[in-house]
Amino acid sequence: EAGVAQSPRYKIIEKRQSVAFWCNPISGHATLYWYQQILGQGPKLLIQFQNNGVVDDSQLPKDRFSAERLKGVDSTLKIQPAKLEDSAVYLCASSGPGQGASPLHFGNGTRLTVT
Amino acid sequence: KNQVEQSPQSLIILEGKNCTLQCNYTVSPFSNLRWYKQDTGRGPVSLTIMTFSENTKSNGRYTATLDADTKQSSLHITASQLSDSASYICVVSAYGNNRLAFGKGNQVVVIP
Repeated sequence: EAGVAQSPRYKIIEKRQSVAFWCNPISGHATLYWYQQILGQGPKLLIQFQNNGVVDDSQLPKDRFSAERLKGVDSTLKIQPAKLEDSAVYLCASSGPGQGASPLHFGNGTRLTVT
Repeated sequence: KNQVEQSPQSLIILEGKNCTLQCNYTVSPFSNLRWYKQDTGRGPVSLTIMTFSENTKSNGRYTATLDADTKQSSLHITASQLSDSASYICVVSAYGNNRLAFGKGNQVVVIP
C-alpha cells in the first residue's frame, strides 16, 4: 500500500510570512494527525481529525495555525504568520480503526525553517 | 512533567554489540505501548506493540519487554548493525483518551 504522502519536503520562509503543508493519508484511514517535532524532541500533537471532524486541537496555537480536512481525505496545515519558534518538522500521520490498537503511519515530514 | 521518560537520551555503540533502551511511563489507565524507530529525515515506523498482558515480544533483532507493575518497558537491540542508527521513540496509549503520550526518544548511533 502507498504510504502517507507529504509536501513540500523542505520549506524556508522569513518570520511573519505564511506557509502551508499538504498531507495525503493512507487510503481508507479515517484518522489523521498533524504533529510538530522540534529537534531532539518527540512529536507533539497539533490536531487530530476523525474523517473531516476535529477530535483534538487543544494544543494547536489557533491564533496562527489552522488545519482542515475537506472531504475527509487530504489535509492542509497552515501557519500565518510564522514565528522563529515554529522551525520544526511537521509530521502527518494516519491510522486505521481501533483507537490506540492501530499503529500510526507517518509521512516523512516537512522541515520548516523560519529565519 | 512528561508522562513518558526515556533513557539514555543518546548512546554510541560498536557494530555487533547489544544495547538496551529504557522507557518509564505514568500514563493511566494503561492500554498499550509502542516502540517506533525514526531514521534521520524520515517519519517514525512502528516496531512493536505491547499490551497489558504481554511481557516480551520480538521483531527480528529487536526485543521489547513490559513490566506493567513498575510501568517500565525496554527495547533490546541484539547484534547491532549500522542501519540501527536512529531515534527510538516510546509511545503510550491510555484507555478512554485519544491522545498518545510520546517520549523524547533514545538516539542510537552505531559505529563500525
